[in-house]
Formats: sequence, structure tokens, C-alpha cells
Amino acid sequence: QQQVKQSPQSLIVQKGGISIINCAYENTAFDYFPWYQQFPGKGPALLIAIRPDVSEKKEGRFTISFNKSAKQFSLHIMDSQPGDSATYFCAARYTGTASKLTFGTGTRLQVTL
Amino acid sequence: NAGVTQTPKFQVLKTGQSMTLQCAQDMNHNSMYWYRQDPGMGLRLIYYSASEGTTDKGEVPNGYNVSRLNKREFSLRLESAAPSQTSVYFCASSEFRGAGELFFGEGSRLTVL
Repeated sequence: QQQVKQSPQSLIVQKGGISIINCAYENTAFDYFPWYQQFPGKGPALLIAIRPDVSEKKEGRFTISFNKSAKQFSLHIMDSQPGDSATYFCAARYTGTASKLTFGTGTRLQVTL
Repeated sequence: NAGVTQTPKFQVLKTGQSMTLQCAQDMNHNSMYWYRQDPGMGLRLIYYSASEGTTDKGEVPNGYNVSRLNKREFSLRLESAAPSQTSVYFCASSEFRGAGELFFGEGSRLTVL
């Protein structure tokens, strides 16, 4: 049973466009929602994260929007660049479980020239 | 700064063979994790160790065993490999408490024939 559902599976965006990846969860015991970025042949690396007491967090061109009532959160990449081409994973952590994360299935983003 | 180091990077096994994946971190983290990554499935937690001396099952522990050798090292053993264990395996580490960021190694690609 997939506890964190991620969509789309793949995404193609033109350079300068906005990339949007969505995630939904069911378990209200999650208390931390990170996004990880993975380049081919590398391990995932933390990109940005949010806690459920805020509705939005922005770091540079990357923004997380969080809707607690709908149990959804999304990653927006503004002014997408070819260097952003990677696989993106959303994740969620149960309250009080250190950093044991449940990951979404991933979105492969390709930014074209 | 090495971070999280995994060995080997590539391995081919025959069904029924055994092997151990090694992981070491130099960030003085308390918690360590083993994930597997399969296409369309995201990252799934196999086992984790919240602190030295403890280990717990994750989402997909069947067919695996782990050993937290010391604070730095956490190994994953396949006693009798099966084709279903063909995957990319990632080790990660984190602080026990805090921001929750996982630091991943570069992965070990295992093929079971």
C-alpha cells in the first residue's frame, strides 16, 4: 500500500517553464515532508522540506505548497533549467520516528532547451 | 569529506548465493538505514538502526538481515539471493533527532541471475 502517492510519473518542461509535482498522503501522523532530488548514478539528496504548520516554503526557485486539510503537498520549480533534469521524490515522516521516511514513487523531470 | 560510503558499487550473483553490502558514514550520525530502489516503486525501507545497538524492520525486510557493527558501520546481508532482490540498494544516515535529513550513499547495483 503506497502511503505517499506521487504524480506525474514523468514530466517534460521547456527551459524557463514551471515544473509542478504533486504528492498526497493519508496518514495524519506524518509530521515532516521533504523533497529529494536524484541525478543518474547518484543517491538522493535533500532539496527542500516543510512541516505541516506552514502552508508554503520557498528556497530560491523551489517552492513547496502544503495543504493540510486536503493532505496534499506539491513542489514547484520556477524558471526550470536543464540542470534541474533529475528524478524527484516526495517523502513523509511519522511523528517521533527519527528520520524513517516513506517515499513516493518518483517523478522523472526533463527540462528541454 | 566522504559522507556515506557503500561497497561494492556493482555485484552480480546467482540465485541462492549470499553476499553482504557494506556501508560506513563519517558524519557521527546515530541513525542508519537501508533502502532499495526499483523502477516505479520509489525507495522502500528495508531495515534501519535508530542508534548503535538497535535495529528494526522497515517496509520490505524479508530475505535480508542487518548488522550495526558500530556507530559508523551498518551492513546488509542477503543469505540466499533471489531474482526479486535485483535492485539498487542505498544506505543512508541521519541524526537521531532534528531536521530529519537523510544523507545517502551513491548506491550498490545488485543483479541476481
